[in-house]
Amino acid sequence: DAKTTQPTSMDCAEGRAANLPCNHSTISGNEYVYWYRQIHSQGPQYIIHGLKNNETNEMASLIITEDRKSSTLILPHATLRDTAVYYCIVRVRNAGNMLTFGGGTRLMVKP
Amino acid sequence: DGGITQSPKYLFRKEGQNVTLSCEQNLNHDAMYWYRQDPGQGLRLIYYSQIVNDFQKGDIAEGYSVSREKKESFPLTVTSAQKNPTAFYLCASSIKRGGASPLHFGNGTRLTVT
Repeated sequence: DAKTTQPTSMDCAEGRAANLPCNHSTISGNEYVYWYRQIHSQGPQYIIHGLKNNETNEMASLIITEDRKSSTLILPHATLRDTAVYYCIVRVRNAGNMLTFGGGTRLMVKP
Repeated sequence: DGGITQSPKYLFRKEGQNVTLSCEQNLNHDAMYWYRQDPGQGLRLIYYSQIVNDFQKGDIAEGYSVSREKKESFPLTVTSAQKNPTAFYLCASSIKRGGASPLHFGNGTRLTVT
């Protein structure tokens, strides 16, 4: 799986959009970008994934650059409950569902 | 509701004892996984199983064993051979091998060995 680089930590004001960046400059054409988050002492929660098109679901939006070397997870209206560690992962389709999690970004949503 | 249940949430053992962590899913998923997480770090894959009665080693399988006798169950045994067993253990499942299906995680078991 391609390596990803994320900032160690970020702050966001409650009610504002949280934009979490991820660099994956060595991504291959058949690798998907996944986002998970982990709230302290709980299991990671799946958020969203995409290949090359932008994606949106009830939790977030995923914006992937045209060259696919980076992506941004957007939480449109962050709440205090969105405080968590966010992991960006790239994975090859049909390579099994093993995931390698890096250090992630610790997002702190403040009142 | 469907999901993954890990039990117990906290587990304490003496050094030299084997201990088994439970993982049950009612999502009808084929594939199941065990990860280990150490403080401030990401997840590392211990074992995975794509189908009943079959499993494969992950990146850090030494000192661990698993079984997959039923589709819904994938218990992990931490043996006395595991040199640093104290950690947060996470079980996950996915619909099938490959494809783009995401992993669903349980809420983990925190094992402390003294």
